Amino acid sequence: DAKTTQPPSMDCAEGRAANLPCNHSTISGNEYVYWYRQIHSQGPQYIIHGLKNNETNEMASLIITEDRKSSTLILPHATLRDTAVYYCIVSAKTSYDKVIFGPGTSLSVIP
Amino acid sequence: DAGVIQSPRHEVTEMGQEVTLRCKPISGHDYLFWYRQTMMRGLELLIYFNNNVPIDDSGMPEDRFSAKMPNASFSNLKIQPSEPRDSAVYFCASSSSSEGYTRGEQFFGPGTRLTVL
Repeated sequence: DAKTTQPPSMDCAEGRAANLPCNHSTISGNEYVYWYRQIHSQGPQYIIHGLKNNETNEMASLIITEDRKSSTLILPHATLRDTAVYYCIVSAKTSYDKVIFGPGTSLSVIP
Repeated sequence: DAGVIQSPRHEVTEMGQEVTLRCKPISGHDYLFWYRQTMMRGLELLIYFNNNVPIDDSGMPEDRFSAKMPNASFSNLKIQPSEPRDSAVYFCASSSSSEGYTRGEQFFGPGTRLTVL
């Protein structure tokens, strides 16, 4: 599976959009981009995933560049409850299974 | 659905003792994963099962660790003998390959915090 690179930490003002970047320059054609987050002392939680097109759900939006070498997770109106570690993961669709977590980005939402 | 259930939530034991961690996946899920999380190493995949069969155990640190899934509703992770460096939070997760489920989405349990003295 391709590796990902994320900034170790970010701050965001409450109510503003949080834009979390991820580089995955070695991504293969059959690999999806997944985002999870882990709130302190809890298990990771799935947020969203995509292949080529931008995706949106009730939690966030995922913007994938045309060359698929990077992506951005957008939390449109960050709240204090969004403070967490956010993991960007690349995994092949055919392997529903292995999802390898890197160090992620620690997002702090500031009042 | 109650989600993934793990027990115990906290375990404190002495070095050399056997430790058993338990997991009940979400009903109907056909994949089960065991992870370990520490400050130093982050979240590591230890082993995963598909339809109760171990698929990849390359993440299991050594022979002291073993995991079984005797049926679709239960899995356990054993450490024998336990060592202080095994202290970590152990997560179990499950997922489904069936239609109607988001592929690649894993549902995590609350974790078991293990302390080996």
